Amino acid sequence: AQKVTQAQTEISVVEKEDVTLDCVYETRDTTYYLFWYKQPPSGELVFLIRRNSFDEQNEISGRYSWNFQKSTSSFNFTITASQVVDSAVYFCALSEALGAGSYQLTFGKGTKLSVIP
Amino acid sequence: DTAVSQTPKYLVTQMGNDKSIKCEQNLGHDTMYWYKQDSKKFLKIMFSYNNKELIINETVPNRFSPKSPDKAHLNLHINSLELGDSAVYFCASSRDRGVNTEAFFGQGTRLTVV
Repeated sequence: AQKVTQAQTEISVVEKEDVTLDCVYETRDTTYYLFWYKQPPSGELVFLIRRNSFDEQNEISGRYSWNFQKSTSSFNFTITASQVVDSAVYFCALSEALGAGSYQLTFGKGTKLSVIP
Repeated sequence: DTAVSQTPKYLVTQMGNDKSIKCEQNLGHDTMYWYKQDSKKFLKIMFSYNNKELIINETVPNRFSPKSPDKAHLNLHINSLELGDSAVYFCASSRDRGVNTEAFFGQGTRLTVV
């Protein structure tokens, strides 16, 4: 069975604070990929990052950074110096093998981030 | 140009009606999906097609029937709509069905059944 857990349902921070969104996953696959998506109030789903199970290097993109820890099965997402535009629901997802070379994304339940000016 | 476009964006209809949602992608991707997002924002896959062939069909009522006339289109037809079908439906596409391909999503169709 495969599962993605985002334990934080909602987080509120004041603008310019740093915030970390947690993601813990379960899988029996040895090769898998993890993803983060952003869903702003306008409703669309925006791809943020993809990380494979063999690459545990942290990644930084501007104010965004991701910490992948295979030992704890976690793929956490940190926003530094948060801004109001960061207010959104953030989803962590895991690629799930279906057999015959097919995969699908299994999503966590999302964390709603509110950045207060 | 919108990469994954779905129409309509909003759909309000009465119980018992039949409706369709259209989806088109211009990314040249081989794989397309339909996801359902419920009122609690939970995203769950419904169907996946690869080169017009159905590869994923989750436990979805058979009132829902996807149709892929070509690999750039994946439409969703829903018969005998029920109140519980109210949700946001997202179409998505990915380069292929491999483990490492990210999905690109359309804007979503908010379906309200009254």
